Amino acid sequence: ETGVTQSPTHLIKTRGQQVTLRCSSQSGHNTVSWYQQALGQGPQFIFQYYREEENGRGNFPPRFSGLQFPNYSSELNVNALELDDSALYLCASSLGTSPHEQYFGPGTRLTVT
Amino acid sequence: RKEVEQDPGPFNVPEGATVAFNCTYSNSASQSFFWYRQDCRKEPKLLMSVYSSGNEDGRFTAQLNRASQYISLLIRDSKLSDSATYLCVVKAAGNKLTFGGGTRVLVKP
Repeated sequence: ETGVTQSPTHLIKTRGQQVTLRCSSQSGHNTVSWYQQALGQGPQFIFQYYREEENGRGNFPPRFSGLQFPNYSSELNVNALELDDSALYLCASSLGTSPHEQYFGPGTRLTVT
Repeated sequence: RKEVEQDPGPFNVPEGATVAFNCTYSNSASQSFFWYRQDCRKEPKLLMSVYSSGNEDGRFTAQLNRASQYISLLIRDSKLSDSATYLCVVKAAGNKLTFGGGTRVLVKP
């Protein structure tokens, strides 16, 4: 196992609601990246947090936001949920912002109805 | 055009056979290349990095062709446990990993 944990494992929300997903990084890792993986597709980069600051963002609207805490754990917040937000949300931790390898957590499967 | 493109498959492979598949990327400034493996309903895990000179890790061989902007993965002596989705990953300068859609491989007895 990678040592990266995510909660919850599954979540069902209604369109228009807000959701918060959580990630605990591997011990010693100071960087967390978040990805969205729709069914049958590869993960898409949402953003990265390094030392509590956003450090790069993919093509996702502002209703996707995040936080990183002093212990390097992280949250992904999504406001005004849409049906297309249904996906597996993966967080990956690494040491440094341009890592050779990122270690993924098991993901949170979000279903928006 | 997608930044990283892969044949989605599935590649149906008899146990013990060899299978190979490619991935093309559009950003000529890409610097680092990887193959990740993802089992059904699991998280991606790094399989191997891809170096300019090509590299081998046991039964797995990865090649990079910068001129044509593609990378390849070859699996020899396929095992049932090799059944998975193989994700091609490209990194340009900075911190963003760009994933392809994945190639599904099914190894059958």
